[in-house]
Amino acid sequence: GENVEQHPSTLSVQEGDSAVIKCTYSDSASNYFPWYKQELGKGPQLIIDIRSNVGEKKDQRIAVTLNKTAKHFSLHITETQPEDSAVYFCAARDNYGQNFVFGPGTRLSVLP
Amino acid sequence: DAGVIQSPRHEVTEMGQEVTLRCKPISGHDYLFWYRQTMMRGLELLIYFNNNVPIDDSGMPEDRFSAKMPNASFSTLKIQPSEPRDSAVYFCASSARPGTASKLFFGEGSRLTVL
Repeated sequence: GENVEQHPSTLSVQEGDSAVIKCTYSDSASNYFPWYKQELGKGPQLIIDIRSNVGEKKDQRIAVTLNKTAKHFSLHITETQPEDSAVYFCAARDNYGQNFVFGPGTRLSVLP
Repeated sequence: DAGVIQSPRHEVTEMGQEVTLRCKPISGHDYLFWYRQTMMRGLELLIYFNNNVPIDDSGMPEDRFSAKMPNASFSTLKIQPSEPRDSAVYFCASSARPGTASKLFFGEGSRLTVL
């Protein structure tokens, strides 16, 4: 089955700097890769996703890149703000299955 | 849309008691998932339903756990009897049918503490 690894487990950056979180997956059939942000006491919230026919996707300060050959994808947050502090999860899923496999999460702290 | 709605948000119970968690998926979504989140194991899929039918329950840890979906707008996850190691946050999530339109949306979770 699919296995998703995520690094780093914790990340601290100064406000205004960029943050990068990387994930790798094992199943070449996976073709949908969402990213979730989880704030304290809340459920994971979808922030951006990418499909395998796309190499990069941007939404304001957030971008995701995908390298299908290497089986890895990354989340990039630019001009970080204190409200970006949260736990971020990556996930992978194939087109016909419904089992989203999640990475272990990255705790991002943006220091003012 | 109100999103995925879960209740209760917090539950504290004693070992051996029955616990029932409830979920209302997003209207029109065909798939409903129950996840458990712990520090040690992260987000684990327990079971998921398609059109109210359980499709994969291989993640249900023991027979003490059961889940039902009597109709398209309601699901329950029951633990009987509960044990301290069941303490976790339980999330319900829903999505539309598979394919390019399918995104997974989570509820706010039910935090269970078993004493």
